[in-house]
Amino acid sequence: AQTVTQSQPEMSVQEAETVTLSCTYDTSENNYYLFWYKQPPSRQMILVIRQEAYKQQNATENRFSVNFQKAAKSFSLKISDSQLGDTAMYFCAYYGNKLVFGAGTILRVKS
Amino acid sequence: NAGVMQNPRHLVRRRGQEARLRCSPMKGHSHVYWYRQLPEEGLKFMVYLQKENIIDESGMPKERFSAEFPKEGPSILRIQQVVRGDSAAYFCASSPPPGGRGTEAFFGQGTRLTVV
Repeated sequence: AQTVTQSQPEMSVQEAETVTLSCTYDTSENNYYLFWYKQPPSRQMILVIRQEAYKQQNATENRFSVNFQKAAKSFSLKISDSQLGDTAMYFCAYYGNKLVFGAGTILRVKS
Repeated sequence: NAGVMQNPRHLVRRRGQEARLRCSPMKGHSHVYWYRQLPEEGLKFMVYLQKENIIDESGMPKERFSAEFPKEGPSILRIQQVVRGDSAAYFCASSPPPGGRGTEAFFGQGTRLTVV
């Protein structure tokens, strides 16, 4: 069965600095997708970034980028120039034959 | 193209009553997931359905909880004889069949169930 592990329950970062959230996963599938979702205090789930496993190039969306290491089954999220609005819980998710989420990392951006 | 619609947004039930949570997936999406979330906690997988078929219900409690996704109409998560411990936010996500291009799960805004 596929599993997703986020080893950092909570993290803090100063405004304007860079932070990296870790995610590892376990699978025997070769074709799959990986996602990072953000859940702000409003509790709405927002897709931040996605990565297709067959693509070697790391996905980037403005201040958000990933470091996808397929062999190591690692999918970390880097947030550059952190803003107060980035404060949220972040979920890493794997989608092969089923959508599986990690436990989440609470990120607090401090002014 | 409307997003994933969940209703009601807030639901209050007395202990022992039934709760019905509805999820209308995005147009063209044939797969639905239900998750439960307690405050300050992660998403706990409950059930994965496609139309008229339960694919994986390994996260569903054995008693009082059931889910369906009929050929027509929304997916329903039903909780019978609710207890205080059922109070949580319940999220629905929909996706196209896995494995195709553009695979991505979209979430509804959740239903916050409060049992009093």
